[in-house]
Amino acid sequence: GQQLNQSPQSMFIQEGEDVSMNCTSSSIFNTWLWYKQDPGEGPVLLIALYKAGELTSNGRLTAQFGITRKDSFLNISASIPSDVGIYFCAGQATGGFKTIFGAGTRLFVKA
Amino acid sequence: GAGVSQSPSNKVTEKGKDVELRCDPISGHTALYWYRQSLGQGLEFLIYFQGNSAPDKSGLPSDRFSAERTGGSVSTLTIQRTQQEDSAVYLCASSLGLFTDTQYFGPGTRLTVL
Repeated sequence: GQQLNQSPQSMFIQEGEDVSMNCTSSSIFNTWLWYKQDPGEGPVLLIALYKAGELTSNGRLTAQFGITRKDSFLNISASIPSDVGIYFCAGQATGGFKTIFGAGTRLFVKA
Repeated sequence: GAGVSQSPSNKVTEKGKDVELRCDPISGHTALYWYRQSLGQGLEFLIYFQGNSAPDKSGLPSDRFSAERTGGSVSTLTIQRTQQEDSAVYLCASSLGLFTDTQYFGPGTRLTVL
């Protein structure tokens, strides 16, 4: 079945540093989504990407839909302590396939 | 309501007991999804509903798991004869339509089976 490989699994960074994480898939997706999950909460959508090559920003967050449609990355610039959490990528294919989630990247920010 | 709500937020039960988890989706959302998140893991898809019907039950881990949705709104996930490996956070999400619309998640129910 379809699987997403998300990396890195965890990151320990200093406040102010930039962060990059990515997801790759063995198959093509038509939509890439990035979610953030705070402790004790459900995931919240950060950015949705619908077209190959699309680059979208949301504040300090930037995400891109890879041109091969098999990968996506999320960048966070100038990290702050509240960026701490788990970031999930998710992909959706055509034909009513279910949304596939990556295993998550756990981000720790040291003030 | 404004968002997806789930109840209870926490549930501690003894092995062998049955539990019911409830999800109230966003009003007007026709699609509803259940996921399971084990400690330190990603999201495991369990089941989805389009309206009241669940065309794909392949994600349910065993026949002890069942789910229903009535009136195209509230859904209940039932786990019978709970086992310790059922301990996890159970997340519900809803979307306007099926799959291709953005899913909005509830806060989850943390289930602990002793």
